[in-house]
Amino acid sequence: IAGITQAPTSQILAAGRRMTLRCTQDMRHNAMYWYRQDLGLGLRLIHYSNTAGTTGKGEVPDGYSVSRANTDDFPLTLASAVPSQTSVYFCASSWLAGDQDTQYFGPGTRLTVL
Amino acid sequence: GQNIDQPTEMTATEGAIVQINCTYQTSGFNGLFWYQQHAGEAPTFLSYNVLDGLEEKGRFSSFLSRSKGYSYLLLKELQMKDSASYLCAVKDSNYQLIWGAGTKLIIKP
Repeated sequence: IAGITQAPTSQILAAGRRMTLRCTQDMRHNAMYWYRQDLGLGLRLIHYSNTAGTTGKGEVPDGYSVSRANTDDFPLTLASAVPSQTSVYFCASSWLAGDQDTQYFGPGTRLTVL
Repeated sequence: GQNIDQPTEMTATEGAIVQINCTYQTSGFNGLFWYQQHAGEAPTFLSYNVLDGLEEKGRFSSFLSRSKGYSYLLLKELQMKDSASYLCAVKDSNYQLIWGAGTKLIIKP
């Protein structure tokens, strides 16, 4: 593994189903993030984690949950998917220290909820 | 509210210079980032400014004026591979990134 990986690459999901998007990083970054990207809008933060064992809510957390059991993994769960959750989801990580905590992004998961 | 404004789309010619502007109104300021995103791919880091002035990195430069809430990304000697979206993001008082919607840059031969 080099950097950040996400799985699956894409998924079509029926409304009401549960879905977990996976994210793994091997850079030993302490902070991790989940964003969604929709056409015409900027990246919007769903949830974040500044260190293993802690999580926080971003701008659009409703309908999503996360966990951070260890440094490397940060899964995002949709408990009961709805069509408005159709989006491209990006996981990112950074070293949260000092001024420049540059975020590095995974390749994304394209999710369609029907 | 917090707001990041960028032009939606710009067109430039191969070999030319283009300037992409970004204005922001955020609750606090702890740095500004520029990212490049090719269609269907992840954003990749280009530059970071926290103090006023120009940061140069090869063909790309980024400028910041904190008093004006303004930044620009300057791309020189444009190449076809520079066709992409360019995202401006500001780190606010909570150290969270607030993102603009991005500027789609189209390069014509």
